[in-house]
Amino acid sequence: QKEVEQDPGPLSVPEGAIVSLNCTYSNSAFQYFMWYRQYSRKGPELLMYTYSSGNKEDGRFTAQVDKSSKYISLFIRDSQPSDSATYLCAMSDFNDYKLSFGAGTTVTVRA
Amino acid sequence: KAGVTQTPRYLIKTRGQQVTLSCSPISGHRSVSWYQQTPGQGLQFLFEYFSETQRNKGNFPGRFSGRQFSNSRSEMNVSTLELGDSALYLCASSSGTSGRHEQFFGPGTRLTVL
Repeated sequence: QKEVEQDPGPLSVPEGAIVSLNCTYSNSAFQYFMWYRQYSRKGPELLMYTYSSGNKEDGRFTAQVDKSSKYISLFIRDSQPSDSATYLCAMSDFNDYKLSFGAGTTVTVRA
Repeated sequence: KAGVTQTPRYLIKTRGQQVTLSCSPISGHRSVSWYQQTPGQGLQFLFEYFSETQRNKGNFPGRFSGRQFSNSRSEMNVSTLELGDSALYLCASSSGTSGRHEQFFGPGTRLTVL
């Protein structure tokens, strides 16, 4: 079993829809959680960074962490064609800078 | 603030050769991590350097090595290249201090081994 499991997708949604992305993890030592967006043939871009359970909002993006269930989510509101990309969840523990990644979910937003 | 830069962006090598990739972190960041990204395995951690010392290492063979210089720039080296080493190699920069774990990635070096 992998440390981090991510819903495989792919996802295809119409413009303006809410995109919901999810990851589960097995390592209870994970304390820091990140979501990255990666366009084709580019490096991952950090979207959200959280370290506590609960919600964090930044513009159209909301990150949700539930440590008791070992579950994290990313919501994208009012999705745009420019949001079409692969989304990766990543996490690390308190003493470690090694990131463990999910496999990524490819999202296509149709105009 | 300038982002993470990686050179070269593209490399083509043949089996048995060696290669050196370079990474310049965000100014003020002291931690540099390296990752390998392939379609089959996704993003896998290679190693992390902080203040010229390797703090952590992933499960890769000894052919993969790295170092960090006093200005925080880092290099990774792959010796005796194999076809399976073809991948996107990503460098990530972080402040490296407790409580600040977010990492910022560079554009990557795409290595093709023929």
